[in-house]
Amino acid sequence: GDSVTQMEGPVTLSEEAFLTINCTYTATGYPSLFWYVQYPGEGLQLLLKATKADDKGSNKGFEATYRKETTSFHLEKGSVQVSDSAVYFCALILNQAGTALIFGKGTTLSVSS
Amino acid sequence: GAGVSQTPSNKVTEKGKYVELRCDPISGHTALYWYRQSLGQGPEFLIYFQGTGAADDSGLPNDRFFAVRPEGSVSTLKIQRTERGDSAVYLCASSWDGANVLTFGAGSRLTVL
Repeated sequence: GDSVTQMEGPVTLSEEAFLTINCTYTATGYPSLFWYVQYPGEGLQLLLKATKADDKGSNKGFEATYRKETTSFHLEKGSVQVSDSAVYFCALILNQAGTALIFGKGTTLSVSS
Repeated sequence: GAGVSQTPSNKVTEKGKYVELRCDPISGHTALYWYRQSLGQGPEFLIYFQGTGAADDSGLPNDRFFAVRPEGSVSTLKIQRTERGDSAVYLCASSWDGANVLTFGAGSRLTVL
């Protein structure tokens, strides 16, 4: 079935370090891909998305490129801040009516100053 | 409303009791989703409504779980004969018809003692 696999956490970085969180997917159809973020004590928020191969989603300094050939959507940021500490979820949805988001297990990021 | 509202934010109950969780989606959003998030896991799909009807209830774990959306707006997730394993955060999300970007509520944390 359709699924998303993310790298295990937690990821612990110092401020201004480079971040990569790996995400790969398996899909029977042609999906759109997403990164959602959950800050401590808050609900899930959409961080960025990409709807077709080679699209790059970006927001708040984060980027991810939809790679169909490697079925990946890795999240990157060049210089993390303490305020980026959160749980990051990779997700997919098939581009057909009546389907729901499928999430990975989440990766906890902790950034220290 | 401005966002997806879920009540209660916290619910503690005893094993065997009946629980109702409410979701008030963004005004005009025709699609509504329920997810369950256990500690350390990604959100797990439960049920999806398009208007008043359940378009996909394949994620409901068993017949103790039921959800309704009688007027195509507010939805209630109902859990009968609660078990300790039902303890989780229950998330609601909504979207425009045909859109693939979901807006999530803050969740209802259910604890079954």
